[in-house]
Amino acid sequence: SAVISQKPSRDICQRGTSLTIQCQVDSQVTMMFWYRQQPGQSLTLIATANQGSEATYESGFVIDKFPISRPNLTFSTLTVSNMSPEDSSIYLCSVALVNEQYFGPGTRLTVT
Amino acid sequence: DAKTTQPTSMDCAEGRAANLPCNHSTISGNEYVYWYRQIHSQGPQYIIHGLKNNETNEMASLIITEDRKSSTLILPHATLRDTAVYYCIVRVVRGSNYKLTFGKGTLLTVNP
Repeated sequence: SAVISQKPSRDICQRGTSLTIQCQVDSQVTMMFWYRQQPGQSLTLIATANQGSEATYESGFVIDKFPISRPNLTFSTLTVSNMSPEDSSIYLCSVALVNEQYFGPGTRLTVT
Repeated sequence: DAKTTQPTSMDCAEGRAANLPCNHSTISGNEYVYWYRQIHSQGPQYIIHGLKNNETNEMASLIITEDRKSSTLILPHATLRDTAVYYCIVRVVRGSNYKLTFGKGTLLTVNP
């Protein structure tokens, strides 16, 4: 299995600002994913971030709004840019290890 | 992407087996069925996955029908701590990557 940590665990931000979320894994992984879970909803994939290549974004998500870095095999960041109240969600980092996928504890973001 | 259908909610008595059904009639031959659960405010937890054969691990059993159009997750002796939203997911392979698409899941409530 993989142990995933995220920072910050929660934050309250003002509209128009940006927040960078960090994801750290205790083992080297090629595939990392970022998900969003809006209040009362299921998880939605934002993008897949493989080390050594540009992140692949899902329909409805763009790089200017959610830039992602993947500098090495154990770390990634997701930035939520120019935030609005609609961005209030839990953001989850996830990694693929062989045929299993593991999730971090999430970052709870509230935009006021 | 292959779509899954699950009941919105189910109840189970503590100590009894919980049987959670899932329909995935459009699944392709090389697509795996994955089960995750999410306890309130936590990241999803991997439970089990399978392709064609039935699978069992320390948490649960997965029964996949011969035509692969449906499956059942079995928690043999449900406890109160098994109360969670259970997601049945078909993993879609995209080149060298893959994607897990979460549906609404089944809220399993284990009652004392």
